[in-house]
Amino acid sequence: QKEVEQDPGPLSVPEGAIVSLNCTYSNSAFQYFMWYRQYSRKGPELLMYTYSSGNKEDGRFTAQVDKSSKYISLFIRDSQPSDSATYLCAPGGSYIPTFGRGTSLIVHP
Amino acid sequence: ETGVTQSPTHLIKTRGQQVTLRCSSQSGHNTVSWYQQALGQGPQFIFQYYREEENGRGNFPPRFSGLQFPNYSSELNVNALELDDSALYLCASSLGRSGAYEQYFGPGTRLTVT
Repeated sequence: QKEVEQDPGPLSVPEGAIVSLNCTYSNSAFQYFMWYRQYSRKGPELLMYTYSSGNKEDGRFTAQVDKSSKYISLFIRDSQPSDSATYLCAPGGSYIPTFGRGTSLIVHP
Repeated sequence: ETGVTQSPTHLIKTRGQQVTLRCSSQSGHNTVSWYQQALGQGPQFIFQYYREEENGRGNFPPRFSGLQFPNYSSELNVNALELDDSALYLCASSLGRSGAYEQYFGPGTRLTVT
């Protein structure tokens, strides 16, 4: 079993939809939870960073962590074509995050 | 504020050769981490340098080595290149070892080994 599992997609949605991106992990020591966005042929960009269980909101983005079920979610409200990218979840327990393979999101006008 | 930069952008090498990739960290950051990202996969941690010393290493063989300089820029060296080394190599900088959770990536160097 991989430490971090993520459905690669692609996930295709119409503009304005609410998007739910999910990730599961196996290491109960993970305490930090990050989401990165990666556009094609670019480096990952840090979107959200949370510690422990709970929700965190930043504009159209909400990150949710459920440590009891080892489940991480990222919600995007009012999705835009510019949100089309690969979204990588990256939980971590020490100082190095472990990346999922990413979910490709396509938002069509 | 200057972001993370990497050079070269693209590189083509032959199996068995050696390669050096370079990274300049974001202004004020003292920690650099290197990752390998194969096509369709997430970044895999290679190693991290904090204040010029290796501070952690992933599951990569010794032919992957690195350096960090007093200005906190860094190099990744790969010897005896193999076809499977073809990937996007990413450098990320952060402030302090624990700050690796708030790290900022460069655009990457795409290495092709033929």
